[in-house]
Amino acid sequence: GENVEQHPSTLSVQEGDSAVIKCTYSDSASNYFPWYKQELGKRPQLIIDIRSNVGEKKDQRIAVTLNKTAKHFSLHITETQPEDSAVYFCAASKGKYSSASKIIFGSGTRLSIRP
Amino acid sequence: KAGVTQTPRYLIKTRGQQVTLSCSPISGHRSVSWYQQTPGQGLQFLFEYFSETQRNKGNFPGRFSGRQFSNSRSEMNVSTLELGDSALYLCASSEAGTSTDTQYFGPGTRLTVL
Repeated sequence: GENVEQHPSTLSVQEGDSAVIKCTYSDSASNYFPWYKQELGKRPQLIIDIRSNVGEKKDQRIAVTLNKTAKHFSLHITETQPEDSAVYFCAASKGKYSSASKIIFGSGTRLSIRP
Repeated sequence: KAGVTQTPRYLIKTRGQQVTLSCSPISGHRSVSWYQQTPGQGLQFLFEYFSETQRNKGNFPGRFSGRQFSNSRSEMNVSTLELGDSALYLCASSEAGTSTDTQYFGPGTRLTVL
């Protein structure tokens, strides 16, 4: 069935360094890949997303890359700051405007930024 | 606009009981999805409602059900509660419920089953 694998499950980086989280999806029809950030005790919030017709997208310190052939996508955070500490979820979904929304989430990565 | 709201925020129930959770989407959003979040399983999709119709369903037993009202508010019900149902239940709303719509999450209802 549809599946999204996310690695690593935990990640600790020095403040100022970069962090990379990787996800692999199983359904080749997937065409939308959002990333959510969930701070402790708070709700998940969308931080960046990418569609299958784009290979890379950047938003300030955050970037996402997509490799459709290999069916994997990655989140890159540069110049990490303490406020980047959170759990990050990748997700994959398919379908277009008339389709029902069914987003499959990865298992999450707990990112810790060391001062 | 006000964000997605969920009530109650916390619930404690005992095995065998049933529970109803409520979700009010962002004004104008017609799609509401429900997720179960547990430390071991991450975010698991339960079901999605659009215009009072269930359009999609995850792999959960029939004890989990839901509905959506004409004002887009949604409820989910869990009958015959089991210990393993203890989790954070999140709902998310989006404008049209398409696969590329941004989903906005509510704060969640933390359910504890004793």
